[in-house]
Amino acid sequence: DVKVTQSSRYLVKRTGEKVFLECVQDMDHENMFWYRQDPGLGLRLIYFSYDVKMKEKGDIPEGYSVSREKKERFSLILESASTNQTSMYLCASSWGRTGIYGYTFGSGTRLTVV
Amino acid sequence: QKEVEQDPGPLSVPEGAIVSLNCTYSNSAFQYFMWYRQYSRKGPELLMYTYSSGNKEDGRFTAQVDKSSKYISLFIRDSQPSDSATYLCAMSARNSNYQLIWGAGTKLIIKP
Repeated sequence: DVKVTQSSRYLVKRTGEKVFLECVQDMDHENMFWYRQDPGLGLRLIYFSYDVKMKEKGDIPEGYSVSREKKERFSLILESASTNQTSMYLCASSWGRTGIYGYTFGSGTRLTVV
Repeated sequence: QKEVEQDPGPLSVPEGAIVSLNCTYSNSAFQYFMWYRQYSRKGPELLMYTYSSGNKEDGRFTAQVDKSSKYISLFIRDSQPSDSATYLCAMSARNSNYQLIWGAGTKLIIKP
């Protein structure tokens, strides 16, 4: 069964900490995405990558960075965690850019910053 | 105004009812339209997609696109308690590099 695996389901971090969220996919997809999901705001794109070592800013990149050193792994980094970054973080991968072949999502990481 | 509007619900209907879920959008360049289903504590999964206008049917699910009205719908026939989830619409256009634009999701509850 193909899947996207996110390293943690729940995380609690302190304000100012550097936080790493890891995502691994086993489908040989070129494209990978990081979203955050908040009630009433839906999914908002943070960063995405169409290839190894390539990254593009999404709609809300401030306070975040990413790393893609290998095709199957896409990491999201919160440089200095703040309480407004408390959210559900979803990683996704896809084969086609149009999305019609489907984005495969991980189960999410619920991050709480205290 | 958001590019894609979707009523957050919750929408509560009895088992066996026909469910209608809808999204409106403002960008006439959108060409690809998708519906995702998200169960609690899970990531979204693709249910159906449609290119441009028209209908598409898959089992109990029908997706409909009306580009003239900038309106898309997902119909669920013979609804089951297992259909209880949040349904998100998403759409993309070539001129924005196919970046998916998402609705906020509608929470659906099917009562046994």
